Amino acid sequence: AQSVTQLGSHVSVSEGALVLLRCNYSSSVPPYLFWYVQYPNQGLQLLLKYTSAATLVKGINGFEAEFKKSETSFHLTKPSAHMSDAAEYFCAVSLLSGGYNKLIFGAGTRLAVHP
Amino acid sequence: NAGVTQTPKFRVLKTGQSMTLLCAQDMNHEYMYWYRQDPGMGLRLIHYSVGEGTTAKGEVPDGYNVSRLKKQNFLLGLESAAPSQTSVYFCASKGGGGRITDEQFFGPGTRLTVL
Repeated sequence: AQSVTQLGSHVSVSEGALVLLRCNYSSSVPPYLFWYVQYPNQGLQLLLKYTSAATLVKGINGFEAEFKKSETSFHLTKPSAHMSDAAEYFCAVSLLSGGYNKLIFGAGTRLAVHP
Repeated sequence: NAGVTQTPKFRVLKTGQSMTLLCAQDMNHEYMYWYRQDPGMGLRLIHYSVGEGTTAKGEVPDGYNVSRLKKQNFLLGLESAAPSQTSVYFCASKGGGGRITDEQFFGPGTRLTVL
């Protein structure tokens, strides 16, 4: 069965520091992976997605993620954190089940950015 | 375009009461989904629909019913609310032909408390 695991439910960084949010997947077929962000009291919005076209994927707001098959990982990074990046981040795998497409989400990582 | 909207934003119920959550999308999407979000568990799929008049069960369907009488609307019903259904509920929609790489668009959520 396909699944995703996000290591670290809470991550805290200083403003200007590197952001690294970890996601590992389990899949018997080539996975299609997504990162979504949820700002306080809002719905989820897409940051970026991996669709096998390129292993390094660039998203919105300066985020990027690298697909590493050998490590079954799709970690999210940003070189320099801003206060506005404080949010919850979800990694998800897209799969076909019963002929229909579904998303399976990880448990989420809450990012705090302090001055 | 309003995108995906949800009504109501907040609701408090007593155990045993019933209610219906409304999701509406104006993007002419075929696919619609209902998720619940609980701390430390990410988003879990309750029910989904692949088109007008069709619905199917997700991971956690017990205690919920859904209907998709119109393409733009997806209703989630709780017939007899229980405290375990206290959660934040998100609706999402997706267009295309069910491509596994398409993103889902999320509504702002409904926060439900069952006393």
